[in-house]
Amino acid sequence: KAGVTQTPRYLIKTRGQQVTLSCSPISGHRSVSWYQQTPGQGLQFLFEYFSETQRNKGNFPGRFSGRQFSNSRSEMNVSTLELGDSALYLCASSLGPSGNTIYFGEGSWLTVV
Amino acid sequence: EDQVTQSPEALRLQEGESSSLNCSYTVSGLRGLFWYRQDPGKGPEFLFTLYSAGEEKEKERLKATLTKKESFLHITAPKPEDSATYLCAVLTGSGNTGKLIFGQGTTLQVKP
Repeated sequence: KAGVTQTPRYLIKTRGQQVTLSCSPISGHRSVSWYQQTPGQGLQFLFEYFSETQRNKGNFPGRFSGRQFSNSRSEMNVSTLELGDSALYLCASSLGPSGNTIYFGEGSWLTVV
Repeated sequence: EDQVTQSPEALRLQEGESSSLNCSYTVSGLRGLFWYRQDPGKGPEFLFTLYSAGEEKEKERLKATLTKKESFLHITAPKPEDSATYLCAVLTGSGNTGKLIFGQGTTLQVKP
């Protein structure tokens, strides 16, 4: 059974640009959540989607947004990139929302220069 | 404020030297506690879920326990391949608006 797949794995962007990251959940999983991981802040929750609806949102500025498609695949977008957005962005999937065990993908490494 | 604290931040062990990692939490309502292992450059790998005080789970050399205030991850006779960062996360909140709060992790190094 394939795990959570994230693309791209590595990317470099310039300050002010925007970026879109993609996530394909484990087959049968309908909930997708996104996390930002940095050495200083650790793992921080961005948002969670279930049935194409955002169920929960962390404390991040509006530049961070996401969406989920009918096939449960999800994308997250960061606009007007700042140097501090450099991080590992992790997608996780679970069978249902909030309460089920979540399984992580390998992450997308974003470097903003 | 909900908080999850892991200790120690880093731990060095000799192969075969058993030890425990701690995850203490202060949350409004615990719905579950999760342990993950993360290798450098990779996403966290799920290890255990614990739901109530007194619960224990085991997998190979790892054993997780839960009390009302903390969880322990016991590592028995560790091997170098157990070297990784171990993360705990607490699920709090209610209904479909639960929130998963992660600790900062404990980085374990096991020397041969």
